[in-house]
Amino acid sequence: NAGVTQTPKFQVLKTGQSMTLQCAQDMNHNSMYWYRQDPGMGLRLIYYSASEGTTDKGEVPNGYNVSRLNKREFSLRLESAAPSQTSVYFCASSLTGGWNIQYFGAGTRLSVL
Amino acid sequence: TQLLEQSPQFLSIQEGENLTVYCNSSSVFSSLQWYRQEPGEGPVLLVTVVTGGEVKKLKRLTFQFGDARKDSSLHITAAQPGDTGLYLCAGDGEDSNYQLIWGAGTKLIIKP
Repeated sequence: NAGVTQTPKFQVLKTGQSMTLQCAQDMNHNSMYWYRQDPGMGLRLIYYSASEGTTDKGEVPNGYNVSRLNKREFSLRLESAAPSQTSVYFCASSLTGGWNIQYFGAGTRLSVL
Repeated sequence: TQLLEQSPQFLSIQEGENLTVYCNSSSVFSSLQWYRQEPGEGPVLLVTVVTGGEVKKLKRLTFQFGDARKDSSLHITAAQPGDTGLYLCAGDGEDSNYQLIWGAGTKLIIKP
């Protein structure tokens, strides 16, 4: 099974450029999440979608937008990239209810110059 | 705001030694999860503990949930180089609204 697939794996942007990170899951999960991971800071939630058609802000939403395109796909957009957005971005999904066990993609390594 | 404090942040030990990683909070969690992350990959779930005082074993790894469901520990016996990685704890708060509360992680290096 593919699980959670993220594209691209690597990206270099110049300050002010825009881009969209794509995420798709094939586990029929209701909930999807976008995190960023910086050294020594663990995972910080950017946005999440509890179900198709809904999105909510997490801990660090500024500078990002999201779209829950359908049950499978959840994209993250940087409209005007800044060096502070250099990070590793992870998408995750989980079943609603139960113990909120999250399944992660392999990540997108983004550098903003 | 719920917080999970994880310690130590970094640990480098020799193969065969034992170690313990701690995850502490002043908040109560309905469950607590431990994940391991290897370089270039996303975190992968190791175990979920849900009952106060619960102990779960996964080969040489022993996980414990505190009686009050505010803390947890991960103990590794006779560590091996294959245990090297980043260990993350994550708590499901009683009013978490779909969000997990994450510890900052423990980077573990086991030297042969």
